[in-house]
Amino acid sequence: EAQVTQNPRYLITVTGKKLTVTCSQNMNHEYMSWYRQDPGLGLRQIYYSMNVEVTDKGDVPEGYKVSRKEKRNFPLILESPSPNQTSLYFCASSLSTGANTQYFGPGTRLTVL
Amino acid sequence: AQTVTQSQPEMSVQEAETVTLSCTYDTSESDYYLFWYKQPPSRQMILVIRQEAYKQQNATENRFSVNFQKAAKSFSLKISDSQLGDAAMYFCAYRKGGGDWDFGNEKLTFGTGTRLTIIP
Repeated sequence: EAQVTQNPRYLITVTGKKLTVTCSQNMNHEYMSWYRQDPGLGLRQIYYSMNVEVTDKGDVPEGYKVSRKEKRNFPLILESPSPNQTSLYFCASSLSTGANTQYFGPGTRLTVL
Repeated sequence: AQTVTQSQPEMSVQEAETVTLSCTYDTSESDYYLFWYKQPPSRQMILVIRQEAYKQQNATENRFSVNFQKAAKSFSLKISDSQLGDAAMYFCAYRKGGGDWDFGNEKLTFGTGTRLTIIP
């Protein structure tokens, strides 16, 4: 089954404790992105990747890191999480740009205390 | 920068009736794509319908259709014969056109969403 998977689905952590949210897709997609969803703000792009080793900042990159060492994986790293990073996070992938569908993962609910 | 505006935070409709969700956007591009995504309580983002800006014909997908007014930069979603399973948050989204390696072409810019309630 074609899908985007994220782990963990739920995470509660404390300020400053490094964490990684994994994202994997099995559709051989070139493009992958991370978004965060906050009430009243919709979804905003954090980082994106056009291919292996090609990543760039989105609209809200502060406090996040990413890497794309393999085509299928695109982990999101929070090196020193803060409470303002409490949010719902989505990973997405697409074969190409334009009208191509972005497939979303199931979301990760992160709470930083 | 592109912006997407959904001015209706919440809407409700009687089951089996028709409802229209509004979306406006602002862009200086001539080549772009518009989407409606549905987010049910499961939080999964589900593509409902897409529209290519170069197409004059409005997109339709079963009970879902759009009214695309390019000059007015308006992209509304009409849901006919509303069903209980249509209850969700609906997001309008914009994506720039152009080549695969043009900056920003991979990004979806979302509106703030409209929560749709279906009244039995």
